[in-house]
Order: sequence, then structure tokens, then C-alpha cells
Amino acid sequence: GAVVSQHPSRVICKSGTSVKIECRSLDFQATTMFWYRQFPKKSLMLMATSNEGSKATYEQGVEKDKFLINHASLTLSTLTVTSAHPEDSSFYICSARSDRGINEQYFGPGTRLTVT
Amino acid sequence: KQEVTQIPAALSVPEGENLVLNCSFTDSAIYNLQWFRQDPGKGLTSLLLIQSSQREQTSGRLNASLDKSSGRSTLYIAASQPGDSATYLCAGSQGGSEKLVFGKGTKLTVNP
Repeated sequence: GAVVSQHPSRVICKSGTSVKIECRSLDFQATTMFWYRQFPKKSLMLMATSNEGSKATYEQGVEKDKFLINHASLTLSTLTVTSAHPEDSSFYICSARSDRGINEQYFGPGTRLTVT
Repeated sequence: KQEVTQIPAALSVPEGENLVLNCSFTDSAIYNLQWFRQDPGKGLTSLLLIQSSQREQTSGRLNASLDKSSGRSTLYIAASQPGDSATYLCAGSQGGSEKLVFGKGTKLTVNP
């Protein structure tokens, strides 16, 4: 099956610093990737849709200057949390939609971000 | 705007029991309906995908159905096992979009 990886799986950073999370589709090309955020005991919330070679589309309420998304290739999208604050601590999950076949999203294993 | 609801929030059953998890959605113009499994602290594992033209999908002991007219989907798990213990998430696309809207999940515990 299609595999999506995320790196790092877990990161702890100090308040005010920036953190980059990578999302890679390992065995397929993905023009479109998605970034989600999950709070404890809550459902996944879509943050933005990442499109290769163009600007990301952010959901209402998500600050695009705080959550920078770059989709520079068909297999890699990155999410950078800038000037992180403790309230940014969360579980971030990406998904990738294969350019071939049906419209199914394949999810990464997630990144646990803790801002101290 | 698509909204997805899952009831119950938690379910505990003895091993071997057959069970049904429920998912309801508000926008019948749903494109895809997916069921996922999430283990604690982990990402999502896709279980079944039902496309708009389909009514059900089966994989092993799992069967998912989709009734667009009533805005409901069910995930049937046969002969449950302790290894099935996890949170099960239902997600539906929003209108004609590929964006997925998730329910809050049902936390399933299968007791040996």
C-alpha cells in the first residue's frame, strides 16, 4: 500500500523557536497533501491543503504566517511552525492524495510537538 | 458545511462479540466516506473507503456501509478481538471537495 512518512515523530522546542515537520510520500507522487492538527480527545482538524508548485490553501482561522507550508516536490511537503508557543503543542498529521487512481488520502504517522 | 458525528464516544465489549460503530453526516453530497483506525499516540490507518457510487466495502472481518439518503455509515466488526481495541474515526468529504471532515471517533475496547 501507499506509504507516507513524517519526520520528526516527536519534537520538543522552546517557546519562540521555529519547528519544521516533513511529510513524504514514499512510493507515489502526490500533487496534493493535507495538514491536520489533533488535540487530545478531539477529532482531526484540517489546517491547510498543500499543492505542489503553488501556495497552500488555509482553512478559516489558521494563520498562514504562523504555519508555513512548502510543497516543493511531488513527494515532499513541509510545515513550519514559526515562533512556536505552548498553545501550538499538538499532534500534527499529514496526508497525501495519490495522483493515480481513486481519490484516497494516505496518512502519515504524525508528529507530536511540545513547546515548552 | 459537512459535519460528522460518531456515537457512541466509547464502547466496551467482550472478545468474540460482533459490533457496529455508527457515523452520521449532514451533507448527503458526500464524495468519499472513509473509516480509519487510530492507536494511542499514532497516526491513522485507513480501513475502508467507500466512494460515492458505492454502498459498502468489505475487508476481512470489517464491513462498512454507506447510506447517503439517510446520512449514515456503519462499520461492522465481526468476531472482535483484543487487538481491535483502538479509536475508530469516520471521515466524509465536504461536498464535491476532497477535503475530509472527521468525527470525534469511537474508542473501542475489546476485553479478553
